[in-house]
Amino acid sequence: NAGVMQNPRHLVRRRGQEARLRCSPMKGHSHVYWYRQLPEEGLKFMVYLQKENIIDESGMPKERFSAEFPKEGPSILRIQQVVRGDSAAYFCASSPEGGNTEAFFGQGTRLTVV
Amino acid sequence: EDQVTQSPEALRLQEGESSSLNCSYTVSGLRGLFWYRQDPGKGPEFLFTLYSAGEEKEKERLKATLTKKESFLHITAPKPEDSATYLCAVQKGAQKLVFGQGTRLTINP
Repeated sequence: NAGVMQNPRHLVRRRGQEARLRCSPMKGHSHVYWYRQLPEEGLKFMVYLQKENIIDESGMPKERFSAEFPKEGPSILRIQQVVRGDSAAYFCASSPEGGNTEAFFGQGTRLTVV
Repeated sequence: EDQVTQSPEALRLQEGESSSLNCSYTVSGLRGLFWYRQDPGKGPEFLFTLYSAGEEKEKERLKATLTKKESFLHITAPKPEDSATYLCAVQKGAQKLVFGQGTRLTINP
């Protein structure tokens, strides 16, 4: 799964700052998913995007969080005005098509809010 | 409500001691059941997908099976390098995965 690239690997932000997490999917993959893993909790779905479209954002908090996957460039998960509770590992996964296809995960971005 | 429950939460085995991990699920419209392995500080690594009851898949010392209510991940004669957290997830809808909490497996040499 080394093909899904996430950066940065570690990110420290002060409360109230913005966090931008980037995800470049595997070559040939046009579907991107973001998941959040809180300490001592399982992975939780946040959002599913295709190029230039948000398909399912049912797991994303309504405020402060947004995601995009532009025609060119990586997918971005943006968290505005971060709070301590946003500290978590954020994982991106990609797949070549929708449906019953396994998704490959990146190594994650570990966000710490101080 | 869709639920995925893995047991046990943690399991310690001696090298060579075979065992099974359980994943029970209640989900409407199951489209697939996935097993992943996750090492500390890393992303989940895909192991298997199972689509229908009775299906089995094998990879090295691991074998995954599926019934209508649960899946088992059997590990035969494990080695220390098999130590990891094993995650079970069910696919719902277009692509959303619902994960269990994982089983933390430790294999002692």
